[in-house]
Amino acid sequence: GENVEQHPSTLSVQEGDSAVIKCTYSDSASNYFPWYKQELGKGPQLIIDIRSNVGEKKDQRIAVTLNKTAKHFSLHITETQPEDSAVYFCAALTNAGKSTFGDGTTLTVKP
Amino acid sequence: DTGVSQNPRHKITKRGQNVTFRCDPISEHNRLYWYRQTLGQGPEFLTYFQNEAQLEKSRLLSDRFSAERPKGSFSTLEIQRTEQGDSAMYLCASSHSTGIGNTIYFGEGSWLTVV
Repeated sequence: GENVEQHPSTLSVQEGDSAVIKCTYSDSASNYFPWYKQELGKGPQLIIDIRSNVGEKKDQRIAVTLNKTAKHFSLHITETQPEDSAVYFCAALTNAGKSTFGDGTTLTVKP
Repeated sequence: DTGVSQNPRHKITKRGQNVTFRCDPISEHNRLYWYRQTLGQGPEFLTYFQNEAQLEKSRLLSDRFSAERPKGSFSTLEIQRTEQGDSAMYLCASSHSTGIGNTIYFGEGSWLTVV
């Protein structure tokens, strides 16, 4: 079946450093790739997304890149802050409504 | 816009009892999704509706799980004869269905503990 692999599972950085999380998907019908931030006890919150007709998207300190040929996409957070500490999930979706999530990356930003 | 609303937020039930969760999606969204999430895992897709039609339900975990969206607005997820392994957070989400990329917005989840 469809699979999304997410790496690393845990990531610890110093405040101000950059963080990169990578995901690889298997379903070639996937054309939409959102990233979610989830804090303890809460539902996932969308932070950025990218569609298959775009290779890169940036929103302030957050950027996402997509390589459709290689079937991988990445989240980049620059100038990390302690409030960026959370679990981050990538996902791959198709127009037919199928969605597959990665297993998450626990990001810790040390002050 | 109040976002996706889920009730109850927490439910503790005894093994063998039935439980029902309700989801109210964002009002203009015609797609509604149910996921299950356990600690340390990403959301696991269960089922989804487009309007009142249930378009995918093969991922429902067993025949004890069922979902409805009778009028194409709110939805319910029922788990019959609960087991301890059903303890998890059940997430509802909604989206539009048009265009490339249908942004999915999640609710805050309903925590289920089966004792």
